[in-house]
Amino acid sequence: AQSVTQLDSQVPVFEEAPVELRCNYSSSVSVYLFWYVQYPNQGLQLLLKYLSGSTLVKGINGFEAEFNKSQTSFHLRKPSVHISDTAEYFCAVSVMDSSYKLIFGSGTRLLVRP
Amino acid sequence: NAGVTQTPKFRILKIGQSMTLQCTQDMNHNYMYWYRQDPGMGLKLIYYSVGAGITDKGEVPNGYNVSRSTTEDFPLRLELAAPSQTSVYFCASSYPWDRLNTEAFFGQGTRLTVV
Repeated sequence: AQSVTQLDSQVPVFEEAPVELRCNYSSSVSVYLFWYVQYPNQGLQLLLKYLSGSTLVKGINGFEAEFNKSQTSFHLRKPSVHISDTAEYFCAVSVMDSSYKLIFGSGTRLLVRP
Repeated sequence: NAGVTQTPKFRILKIGQSMTLQCTQDMNHNYMYWYRQDPGMGLKLIYYSVGAGITDKGEVPNGYNVSRSTTEDFPLRLELAAPSQTSVYFCASSYPWDRLNTEAFFGQGTRLTVV
């Protein structure tokens, strides 16, 4: 079975500071990895994804993530955050069976302060 | 480009009432999913469908039913609403065989309160 752990439920950070949101996963088979963002009262929007190839993945809004197979991690980073980055961030794995369903972590609320 | 559309956006139900949450997508995706989101719990899969006429249970299917008569529509039915079903419900669709573009597209959600 697959599982996703997001270690931090909330991350407060000042504007223009760097941020890292942590994600670890558990799986006995290959997975695809995703980060989604959810703004207040909105649906989920894809930030970036890792399918194969380069372990450093760049996404929208200046975010990037690095896939580390040995540590089973997929941490999300941004070198300088903006107030508008305040949102809930979800890490997810896609199960490589007939369902291709997503298994989500519990989410990390990023709170950017001026 | 509508993507995934959910209706209604908000609904208050009384215990024991029934309702159907509607979901439709215009991307010709084979795969569709229903998730519920509870505070601090992430999203949990309720049901999914790999194509018209084919549905299967997810992690938390009790109290819900689904059908998939067309590629576009995937309604979720609550037969006897209970307070434990108070949640935000998201519908999603995907086309996983296109590796370069594989991702799930989500609707805006339905916020359901059962009182």
